[in-house]
Amino acid sequence: GDSVTQMEGPVTLSEEAFLTINCTYTATGYPSLFWYVQYPGEGLQLLLKATKADDKGSNKGFEATYRKETTSFHLEKGSVQVSDSAVYFCALSESNTGNQFYFGTGTSLTVIP
Amino acid sequence: DTEVTQTPKHLVMGMTNKKSLKCEQHMGHRAMYWYKQKAKKPPELMFVYSYEKLSINESVPSRFSPECPNSSLLNLHLHALQPEDSALYLCASSQASGSWEKLFFGSGTQLSVL
Repeated sequence: GDSVTQMEGPVTLSEEAFLTINCTYTATGYPSLFWYVQYPGEGLQLLLKATKADDKGSNKGFEATYRKETTSFHLEKGSVQVSDSAVYFCALSESNTGNQFYFGTGTSLTVIP
Repeated sequence: DTEVTQTPKHLVMGMTNKKSLKCEQHMGHRAMYWYKQKAKKPPELMFVYSYEKLSINESVPSRFSPECPNSSLLNLHLHALQPEDSALYLCASSQASGSWEKLFFGSGTQLSVL
């Protein structure tokens, strides 16, 4: 079945450091891929998405490229800020599974000044 | 208006109480969802409504009862809950019942069952 695997956290970085959070997926068809962010005490917000191979999603300095050959959708940011501290969820959605979204386990990021 | 509004934000209830969680969206979305999220875990799907009809029930215990009175509202009725049901309950919506639409999430109701 479909699934998403994220790197284990927590991740702690200093401000202005480079961020990578790895995400790989397993799907039977042609999924859409998403990164959601959850700030403390809040619901999830869509950060970026990509709907087909080689698409790059980007938002707020974050980027992720849909790599079909490696079944990956790694999240990157060149220079993190304290305000980026949150939990990041990789997710996929596929037409074969109707309305279901498959979330990864989440990666907690803490950025220290 | 691109918000999903959930009320209440916090709820404490005893195991014999009956309470309801409410969710509202005015984006014209036709699919609405309830998720349960335990601390440090991803959201787990509970129910999906598509065009106001229940389309997915992920084997949720009957002490949770969803209701979709109209296309903008989604309720979750709670009765005889257990302490292990304490969690963040998230409502979400999407434009249609399909795979290419993103989910809009509410901020959630933090539920504590005593």
